[in-house]
Amino acid sequence: GAGVSQSPRYKVTKRGQDVALRCDPISGHVSLYWYRQALGQGPEFLTYFNYEAQQDKSGLPNDRFSAERPEGSISTLTIQRTEQRDSAMYRCASSLSTPSSYNSPLHFGNGTRLTVT
Amino acid sequence: AQKVTQAQTEISVVEKEDVTLDCVYETRDTTYYLFWYKQPPSGELVFLIRRNSFDEQNEISGRYSWNFQKSTSSFNFTITASQVVDSAVYFCALSSGGSNYKLTFGKGTLLTVNP
Repeated sequence: GAGVSQSPRYKVTKRGQDVALRCDPISGHVSLYWYRQALGQGPEFLTYFNYEAQQDKSGLPNDRFSAERPEGSISTLTIQRTEQRDSAMYRCASSLSTPSSYNSPLHFGNGTRLTVT
Repeated sequence: AQKVTQAQTEISVVEKEDVTLDCVYETRDTTYYLFWYKQPPSGELVFLIRRNSFDEQNEISGRYSWNFQKSTSSFNFTITASQVVDSAVYFCALSSGGSNYKLTFGKGTLLTVNP
């Protein structure tokens, strides 16, 4: 596709339920990132993949959050036992090559708006 | 620790006015990158520019220009002859050279351009 695609666009779930958010990066992009954006704030880093390898997960808030990218393309961010404080916009981004390359800015998707009731 | 401050929470201008969005950053790294992103009402986050810490040349792209000054740790963004379509939240962001995928964003400036 032309850009980073995320689904669903909106997700409302009840507290305690698990949710899975999907990201389809720009075709051919090696690196994939997850960010979380609270209302009125800028995005905050969650995790980073280089191909299928999760290189950095230091931004994941706790062990209820996990992410995978098994074939080096589509990625899934899973939140188990959701809590109201998990409500936010979850954004995926991809870049053509590794972050050290000058010509690899992050291109963000439209995000998934998660609401936990 | 890294920090990005966008002191202007909201700015409102009339079409065709020039407007400057301020960004002040803090970092201990000597190698770093600075970014601007645009978030229009539709919600996507659009990449505008990236500069590295060794390149202080100002940049102009159409009606957009950026003024990078290491002496004041600022990376300001000016829109000349603003248009209604420029209405958006604009984010300034910073990353260090070692892990430049970890962008630290400011809180954003909401720009409203009125006809």
